[in-house]
Amino acid sequence: AQRVTQPEKLLSVFKGAPVELKCNYSYSGSPELFWYVQYSRQRLQLLLRHISRESIKGFTADLNKGETSFHLKKPFAQEEDSAMYYCALSGFTGNQFYFGTGTSLTVIP
Amino acid sequence: NAGVTQTPKFQVLKTGQSMTLQCAQDMNHNSMYWYRQDPGMGLRLIYYSASEGTTDKGEVPNGYNVSRLNKREFSLRLESAAPSQTSVYFCASSNPGQGTYNEQFFGPGTRLTVL
Repeated sequence: AQRVTQPEKLLSVFKGAPVELKCNYSYSGSPELFWYVQYSRQRLQLLLRHISRESIKGFTADLNKGETSFHLKKPFAQEEDSAMYYCALSGFTGNQFYFGTGTSLTVIP
Repeated sequence: NAGVTQTPKFQVLKTGQSMTLQCAQDMNHNSMYWYRQDPGMGLRLIYYSASEGTTDKGEVPNGYNVSRLNKREFSLRLESAAPSQTSVYFCASSNPGQGTYNEQFFGPGTRLTVL
């Protein structure tokens, strides 16, 4: 079975503080992992994909196959980072996507 | 290049009424998807279409039907709406394949309320 777990529904941090949004997954093959973000009143958009190993808006995420985790991190949170964040998994050849339940991040000024 | 578009943006139905949500993409993607988004549940896949002429059930297909009209369009139909179908519905498209990652592009969503 494929599953994505985001243990925190709500997360609040102060501006300038580090932030980490947790994501754990279970998958019987080689998954592709993604982070999607949904800002207020906007559509979901891709933030990061593990394959590209990039940093977007200061966020990074490392795939840890041993711990089956794909946590999203940013060293210094900004107010504009307040949004809903979804971790997602796709099979390498699959058409099905599995989303976590999302974490609502609030950055306090 | 509009990406993924959805109509309508908002809809209020009475229990038992029917309606169709429309989705179109102009990115020449093979695969299209319908999700519903509910508080505390995240996004759940209703149906998807891997290619024109094919559709498959996702995690929560009951109460819905879909039609892949052509490569661009993928509609979601509620034959007899129920209050449990009150949700925000998102359409997405992608081009998955062997050896490539499967980024999904989302539409703006349709907020449906069933009274």
